[in-house]
Amino acid sequence: GAVVSQHPSRVICKSGTSVKIECRSLDFQATTMFWYRQFPKKSLMLMATSNEGSKATYEQGVEKDKFLINHASLTLSTLTVTSAHPEDSSFYICSASRSSGRDNEQFFGPGTRLTVL
Amino acid sequence: QQQVKQSPQSLIVQKGGISIINCAYENTAFDYFPWYQQFPGKGPALLIAIRPDVSEKKEGRFTISFNKSAKQFSLHIMDSQPGDSATYFCAATASSNTGKLIFGQGTTLQVKP
Repeated sequence: GAVVSQHPSRVICKSGTSVKIECRSLDFQATTMFWYRQFPKKSLMLMATSNEGSKATYEQGVEKDKFLINHASLTLSTLTVTSAHPEDSSFYICSASRSSGRDNEQFFGPGTRLTVL
Repeated sequence: QQQVKQSPQSLIVQKGGISIINCAYENTAFDYFPWYQQFPGKGPALLIAIRPDVSEKKEGRFTISFNKSAKQFSLHIMDSQPGDSATYFCAATASSNTGKLIFGQGTTLQVKP
């Protein structure tokens, strides 16, 4: 159990276009989902916390108008990179939080490699 | 105060040896400490986690040792195998903080055959 999927796994787009990444919890309901960005050989950088039915909470320095997050249901959150530019190229990873007793276990998706030309 | 410091940055171990990765934190509100394993091009996978009410947790070849007074915790991989070669991240969170994880910098482990 506790499987999180992401789609697409990799995307290449032209500068100025928008890209949508989907994150789904396949076998559990996730009240909270998180979006991370990871640069090569670096740790995960939290971009935003997404709660079902409410606005996402963005980390300091993350542009909310550039990285649109929608958490429409307990199993789906989407990240849209608007007007993408080459500097937005990165590995984007989502995670979903599942409550297990006292622990809020967080399970990660396989990631989406975004390349902006 | 929100940081989690992880060391070493990289580690090379012979097959069958013990791999040890250390983490330290400052925030005493942290009460859940997971470790994640990440292979290149993949998302992190939850490996093992511990709460501060125990000093050690073991799952197979993986053991977390926790020192609450020193605010340190470590991952021990016994009988390390080449398939364990990956990047390992420690993390910490406070139950009161919506489960937001604070990650360490990561350790790249290479297990030589």
